[in-house]
Amino acid sequence: NAGVTQTPKFRVLKTGQSMTLLCAQDMNHEYMYWYRQDPGMGLRLIHYSVGEGTTAKGEVPDGYNVSRLKKQNFLLGLESAAPSQTSVYFCASSYDFLGETQYFGPGTRLLVL
Amino acid sequence: GQQLNQSPQSMFIQEGEDVSMNCTSSSIFNTWLWYKQEPGEGPVLLIALYKAGELTSNGRLTAQFGITRKDSFLNISASIPSDVGIYFCAGRISNKLVFGAGTILRVKS
Repeated sequence: NAGVTQTPKFRVLKTGQSMTLLCAQDMNHEYMYWYRQDPGMGLRLIHYSVGEGTTAKGEVPDGYNVSRLKKQNFLLGLESAAPSQTSVYFCASSYDFLGETQYFGPGTRLLVL
Repeated sequence: GQQLNQSPQSMFIQEGEDVSMNCTSSSIFNTWLWYKQEPGEGPVLLIALYKAGELTSNGRLTAQFGITRKDSFLNISASIPSDVGIYFCAGRISNKLVFGAGTILRVKS
């Protein structure tokens, strides 16, 4: 039982490049989330999903897209990376919406030059 | 929008000391959550609080849900080196979850 896993762990991009972050959970959770964590700020919700095939915008969705084709996977895409997207990205999943059952992945550190 | 003010921003304490941190807001929350994040890991839930005035313990950790529903505090007693990390509060109201900026805790042994 791995919980929530994220790949890659670390990535460096040049401005304008694209990439996809992968999140996988093996707890059969309906709800999945993508957050970003920046120095001096709390976690901010980018996008979330309430079930397979669904996605919704969170607090800071601009510049990101997501897909939930399979219940266990939630992908975060950056079509044209910008330096402002340098951050640590956390995926999470939960049994109930934004509940205390949220389990977080280990994070992906992204540097955009 | 809703914001949480978490203080202190960081603490560097001697092993064995007690630690206190808190979160305040101008908004009311229905649930308060406290998380710990260790280096290279995601946040892990420590304590969840569900009603005003509630006091809950988890080992050496004690957290309280403020009477006004606008604040919460976390105490750690007799700190040990493995307590190092970043502690986050989070408040939930309706379908929103707001995180504090975190308190960085360092412990000198």
